Amino acid sequence: AQSVTQLDSHVSVSEGTPVLLRCNYSSSYSPSLFWYVQHPNKGLQLLLKYTSAATLVKGINGFEAEFKKSETSFHLTKPSAHMSDAAEYFCVVSRNGGATNKLIFGTGTLLAVQP
Amino acid sequence: SQTIHQWPATLVQPVGSPLSLECTVEGTSNPNLYWYRQAAGRGLQLLFYSVGIGQISSEVPQNLSASRPQDRQFILSSKKLLLSDSGFYLCAWNAKGGYQPQHFGDGTRLSIL
Repeated sequence: AQSVTQLDSHVSVSEGTPVLLRCNYSSSYSPSLFWYVQHPNKGLQLLLKYTSAATLVKGINGFEAEFKKSETSFHLTKPSAHMSDAAEYFCVVSRNGGATNKLIFGTGTLLAVQP
Repeated sequence: SQTIHQWPATLVQPVGSPLSLECTVEGTSNPNLYWYRQAAGRGLQLLFYSVGIGQISSEVPQNLSASRPQDRQFILSSKKLLLSDSGFYLCAWNAKGGYQPQHFGDGTRLSIL
């Protein structure tokens, strides 16, 4: 069975400092992993996806994530936080391939960016 | 490019009233479609998904139903709303084949009084 665990429910950083949002996954086979961002009262926007190609995945808005099989981790990073990065972030694993590709969501990490 | 639309953006309904939320996708054909609910402070729960017209799969038993009358239209309904139906409802789509990411609409905030 697949699952994801987001290790921090809240993260606070200062503007201009690095961001690290942690995610561990559990999967019985090679997983597909995603990071989504959700701003208040908005839908989820795809930041990046890992689908067994390069282990370092670059996404939108300067975010990237590294797939580490030995650590079963897929942490999200950004070198320098911007005020507009304040939002909730979800780590997601695909439950299965095939026709529907249902997703399993982590419980989310709320990122606050202080001026 | 593909776009997904949900309406209404917000809705306030009394207990026991009916519900109809609509979602449409443009710029693609034969998508998979999904309805999620997001309760306050919690993750997303998959309610229904559809791989084609008239094909609906339910993930959890509940007071809601879904229909797909057209290829790119997905409707979430209820005959009688409960207080527990309050939440943020999100529609999503993805292309078939492989591990395609899902793309979400802007959601509907449903409040039951």
